[in-house]
Amino acid sequence: QVQLQESGPGLVKPSETLSLTCTVSGASLSTHSWSWIRQPPRKGLEWIGYVYYSGSSNYNPSLKSRVTISLDTSKSQFSLRLTHVTAADTAVYYCARLVPCSSTSCRQADYWGQGILVTVSS
Amino acid sequence: DIQMTQSPSSLSASVGDRVTITCRASQSISTYLNWYQQKPGKAPKLLIYVASSLQSGVPSRFSGSGSGTDFTLTISSLQPEDFATYYCQQSYDTPLTFGGGTMVEI
Repeated sequence: QVQLQESGPGLVKPSETLSLTCTVSGASLSTHSWSWIRQPPRKGLEWIGYVYYSGSSNYNPSLKSRVTISLDTSKSQFSLRLTHVTAADTAVYYCARLVPCSSTSCRQADYWGQGILVTVSS
Repeated sequence: DIQMTQSPSSLSASVGDRVTITCRASQSISTYLNWYQQKPGKAPKLLIYVASSLQSGVPSRFSGSGSGTDFTLTISSLQPEDFATYYCQQSYDTPLTFGGGTMVEI
């Protein structure tokens, strides 16, 4: 059974860095891509980016200058860093597994963490 | 970026109703379209991938169709546990983008 679990601080001050970790169990990080997606309160979903099992990454251009997603296969974890946060970054942050592109599938998020609410406030 | 537009944004239905939700892409995305269900306080759940493939464990009353720019999610007979918000997502190109959601209410 594949499970993902987000962890990290629930409160971050404006201008500081948001750091979250997703711990994966029941699956190897050496396949698939691993993604972060966020959802502001009472709003829709926004894709932040993903890291390939090779370690390379792909980010949403709207956040690219502030985002880093990295992989630690030895700990079965991947992480999100978002710098210079503002109130607009307040959201529930989800980690998710993306299925690789093939003839029968492409980048659907088949497993998700439960989500973690991060509030940006002084 | 590819814009995804869902309609309606909300709908009211009864148990047993047939429900149809549409999603339109701002450009052709072939069949690279996925559907998710989200209940309050929960993570989204994958229902349909590549437009019409049913995710393992999802009831067969859910179906998807479409290609190019126009897609449909159909619930053939609405059940009490289906009251939720539904999102489409294109995976044709990055940035991956989601529709604004359709809330299905009683």
